[in-house]
Amino acid sequence: DAGVTQSPTHLIKTRGQQVTLRCSPKSGHDTVSWYQQALGQGPQFIFQYYEEEERQRGNFPDRFSGHQFPNYSSELNVNALLLGDSALYLCASRDRSSGNTIYFGEGSWLTVV
Amino acid sequence: AQSVTQLGSHVSVSEGALVLLRCNYSSSVPPYLFWYVQYPNQGLQLLLKYTTGATLVKGINGFEAEFKKSETSFHLTKPSAHMSDAAEYFCAVRDNSGYSTLTFGKGTMLLVSP
Repeated sequence: DAGVTQSPTHLIKTRGQQVTLRCSPKSGHDTVSWYQQALGQGPQFIFQYYEEEERQRGNFPDRFSGHQFPNYSSELNVNALLLGDSALYLCASRDRSSGNTIYFGEGSWLTVV
Repeated sequence: AQSVTQLGSHVSVSEGALVLLRCNYSSSVPPYLFWYVQYPNQGLQLLLKYTTGATLVKGINGFEAEFKKSETSFHLTKPSAHMSDAAEYFCAVRDNSGYSTLTFGKGTMLLVSP
């Protein structure tokens, strides 16, 4: 049990729409990162949040944005969806008590049609 | 910049045979290295990690990996494959800065036949 929960588990959106994905890290985890995993690929880093600030960002366009709340939970927002945004979106959080080990949630499957 | 190369997108073994999944990394600083497993339609589960110290790391489900700095490798092994090991395996590297960002390889699908 990774202790990281994500919602929704599956969703289908139409091109041009906007989507919000949610992540709740386990109590005690602080840093939250988001990854995109396209079919047949390894996860790609989108961005990372710590103390409600985005502190590192991967090579993703500004259509991808996020937020972290005071309770460390986080949202990933994607605007103007493209077919190529179809992927598994994974949230990861850091556990300081286990040497900064990174744990992943089960992911949110997004299909853009 | 860091990178990870996993040799072989698919590896097939028979049940009971040795499992060897290869991972080479590139990093300008001493790396932290990880292996994750992903079962169908699930997220990533941590198998094992190397940070510092002993270069032979033991993980869950009988897997182990050895960090070889001279070869920039972190290959994953298991002496005897089980049907339940069939999954996709990802090698990842994290630098030792304050950020916890992982760079993943493209993954290796392990197929286990009876």
